[in-house]
Amino acid sequence: GQQLNQSPQSMFIQEGEDVSMNCTSSSIFNTWLWYKQDPGEGPVLLIALYKAGELTSNGRLTAQFGITRKDSFLNISASIPSDVGIYFCAAQNYGGSQGNLIFGKGTKLSVKP
Amino acid sequence: NAGVTQTPKFQVLKTGQSMTLQCAQDMNHEYMSWYRQDPGMGLRLIHYSVGAGITDQGEVPNGYNVSRSTTEDFPLRLLSAAPSQTSVYFCASSYRQGNYGYTFGSGTRLTVV
Repeated sequence: GQQLNQSPQSMFIQEGEDVSMNCTSSSIFNTWLWYKQDPGEGPVLLIALYKAGELTSNGRLTAQFGITRKDSFLNISASIPSDVGIYFCAAQNYGGSQGNLIFGKGTKLSVKP
Repeated sequence: NAGVTQTPKFQVLKTGQSMTLQCAQDMNHEYMSWYRQDPGMGLRLIHYSVGAGITDQGEVPNGYNVSRSTTEDFPLRLLSAAPSQTSVYFCASSYRQGNYGYTFGSGTRLTVV
């Protein structure tokens, strides 16, 4: 089946650092999304991308929809403690079972001790 | 506007017991779905529904039943609980299946002993 390969699995951040994570697949998708999950909560949508090559920002977050439609990345600039959590990439297509959202395995962001 | 409401928040079951996880949304969303989240596995789709009276299987449907008698409610039934069903379960809804971001509930943490 379709799979999203998300990396890195985990990373430690120090306040003020920039953070990058990405998601790749061997399949083509029409929509890429990025979610954040805080402990004990459900994922919350951060950014949605609908067009190949699209670059979208949401505050300190920037995400891009890869030109091949097989990948996406998320950057967080000047990280702050509340950025800690699990970030998921997700992707979907149009129609039928293709319209269901599939998820990467997540990138866990923790504060550097 | 409550969004997506899941009950209960926590549940412990004995092997072989049955139970129903409740999910309700008040956004008039056509599409609803159930995911399970296991450590290192991301979120995997169990069942989904594109409207009242219509349900279909996702990636990991075995051991679970669903029905959609109203637009608002999408309960998930565990027929005979097994330790392998220990997980965190999330319900999600969307205006329509396709390129729309989902709204997630806050999850049900289920332990089967």
